[in-house]
Amino acid sequence: GQQVMQIPQYQHVQEGEDFTTYCNSSTTLSNIQWYKQRPGGHPVFLIQLVKSGEVKKQKRLTFQFGEAKKNSSLHITATQTTDVGTYFCAGPRGGADGLTFGKGTHLIIQP
Amino acid sequence: ETGVTQTPRHLVMGMTNKKSLKCEQHLGHNAMYWYKQSAKKPLELMFVYSLEERVENNSVPSRFSPECPNSSHLFLHLHTLQPEDSALYLCASSHLQSSGTDTQYFGPGTRLTVL
Repeated sequence: GQQVMQIPQYQHVQEGEDFTTYCNSSTTLSNIQWYKQRPGGHPVFLIQLVKSGEVKKQKRLTFQFGEAKKNSSLHITATQTTDVGTYFCAGPRGGADGLTFGKGTHLIIQP
Repeated sequence: ETGVTQTPRHLVMGMTNKKSLKCEQHLGHNAMYWYKQSAKKPLELMFVYSLEERVENNSVPSRFSPECPNSSHLFLHLHTLQPEDSALYLCASSHLQSSGTDTQYFGPGTRLTVL
């Protein structure tokens, strides 16, 4: 079945450093979505990418969708303590409802 | 707030108990989902309801029984659970579209502990 893989699983950074998480799908995706889950919270939708090679920005966050529509990345510039949490990518399940989520990348920020 | 509420927020139950989790969405969505989130696994899709009909049971044990009486409410009935069923149970809803974008709006979850 479809698999969505994310690396790294954990990332420790100093406040102010940049952070990147990578997502790879075993199948071509019609779109990819990113979610953020704060500690003790629930996943919250951040963004969706649809087009091959698409790049979208939200303030310090930059999201990319690969040309082959099988991989994606999230880059955070100059991390802040509010960025702490787990970042998940997710893709459609190919003809079925619901999403397949990656395992997530846990971002830990040291002040 | 995402417009999706879940009760209870925390639940401790023994293996012989029967309990139910409740989810309500106020977003006018036409699909609802149950996900399981445990420490060592990614978010696992358990059940999907589209237009109040169950369209998928993702190989979930029969000790978990979903119910969707209308498009705004979703229940998960629990009986004779095992300690390994302890996890965060998340409800989500979405507005299914032909484009398949299917953005999930999650509730706060129920933290379940099975003793």
